[in-house]
Amino acid sequence: QVQLVQSGAEVKKPGASVKVSCKASGYTFTTYYMHWVRQAPGQGLEWMGIINPSGGSTSYAQKFQGRVTMTRDTSTSTVYMELSSLRSEDTAVYYCASQLGADIDYWGQGTLVTVSS
Amino acid sequence: SSELTQDPTMSVALGQTVRITCQGDSLRSYYASWYQQKPGQAPVLVIYGKNNRPSGIPHRFSGSSSGNTASLTITGAQAEDEADYYCNSRDSSGNHLFGGGTKLTVL
Repeated sequence: QVQLVQSGAEVKKPGASVKVSCKASGYTFTTYYMHWVRQAPGQGLEWMGIINPSGGSTSYAQKFQGRVTMTRDTSTSTVYMELSSLRSEDTAVYYCASQLGADIDYWGQGTLVTVSS
Repeated sequence: SSELTQDPTMSVALGQTVRITCQGDSLRSYYASWYQQKPGQAPVLVIYGKNNRPSGIPHRFSGSSSGNTASLTITGAQAEDEADYYCNSRDSSGNHLFGGGTKLTVL
């Protein structure tokens, strides 16, 4: 079955960077796009960007342009999301989510990133 | 505009029908998908495309669209349908975009 397993919770200081991983299994990794979505405490879902695991091409939401980098490692079926210049407003649960069908359909368990001095 | 607008809160009596809407210019060009999220859990896709339900989603969930408005209808709401619901579509550059979410209470 499709599984997306994310790395554990992180605590970072303002100005630092965080790199979250997402290991996929149960399907052909390079065939389907992967998205990153975040959710601040008590807030809604926010789409951050998408990566094509086959060639590594990416597209980011304008809000995160210049601060986010999405990469992949096909040898381990893992995608990564790195967010830099962290501020308190980046405190959120970060989800990876695959698009095996017509839209985002499988989600990781989420990774809580806390930004605090 | 590149926004999807949802009513923040809605309520429905047990067994009744509720329609949750999502408005945005991009919906004239793209279908909306709908996600259900319960506290502490990841979202779950309930409707995608014109009106498609993933495997395991009850038949009481359906989707529709007209002009700049997409709708998720729950026919015969159950207690377990109490959750946050988010629409998702594309913006003018083709990137994904979520609505602000609707908190549904089943009375």
